[in-house]
Amino acid sequence: AQTVTQSQPEMSVQEAETVTLSCTYDTSESNYYLFWYKQPPSRQMILVIRQEAYKQQNATENRFSVNFQKAAKSFSLKISDSQLGDTAMYFCASNNAGNMLTFGGGTRLMVKP
Amino acid sequence: KAGVTQTPRYLIKTRGQQVTLSCSPISGHRSVSWYQQTPGQGLQFLFEYFSETQRNKGNFPGRFSGRQFSNSRSEMNVSTLELGDSALYLCASKPVGGQLSDTQYFGPGTRLTVL
Repeated sequence: AQTVTQSQPEMSVQEAETVTLSCTYDTSESNYYLFWYKQPPSRQMILVIRQEAYKQQNATENRFSVNFQKAAKSFSLKISDSQLGDTAMYFCASNNAGNMLTFGGGTRLMVKP
Repeated sequence: KAGVTQTPRYLIKTRGQQVTLSCSPISGHRSVSWYQQTPGQGLQFLFEYFSETQRNKGNFPGRFSGRQFSNSRSEMNVSTLELGDSALYLCASKPVGGQLSDTQYFGPGTRLTVL
């Protein structure tokens, strides 16, 4: 069984600053993918970034980047130049060969003006 | 392309009733998954359908069922509703094959309230 853990229930950051959200996971799969999803107050789950576990290079998407440490089973999300629109719940997730997503408990991020 | 759509967006039912939720995937996506989101249990996988067949199932009672049609649209049904079924139900679709075949794209959800 897979497990995903987000140890920071809430975080806040000043606008334009950088923040890092933590995630650890456990899996017995050899081939898996990791994701960060954002859920704003509208409740729409939006894909932020994905990482293929067999790739050592960390994924980046504009202001979003990950620090993927496979041996440590760690997958943190860094948001640079934080914007007010980044305020949301952030979920870390992994999938397995069965295509089922396992989610962490979420981190509520507040960006302050 | 249009995103994943779910109807209805909000639903209020009473205990003992049954409910059907609908999901239309992104055009070309043939896999549809359903998730339940509650404050207490978080996000939990319900089931996945592909080519009109249930491919995976989560740990939910038999009151939760689903189906998929030939156009990939999916419905989920909950019978004999309980108060604990109040939740946001999210549908997600993903392509089969191609670079992003591992990535699920979510709809806006259906908020079900059971009174």
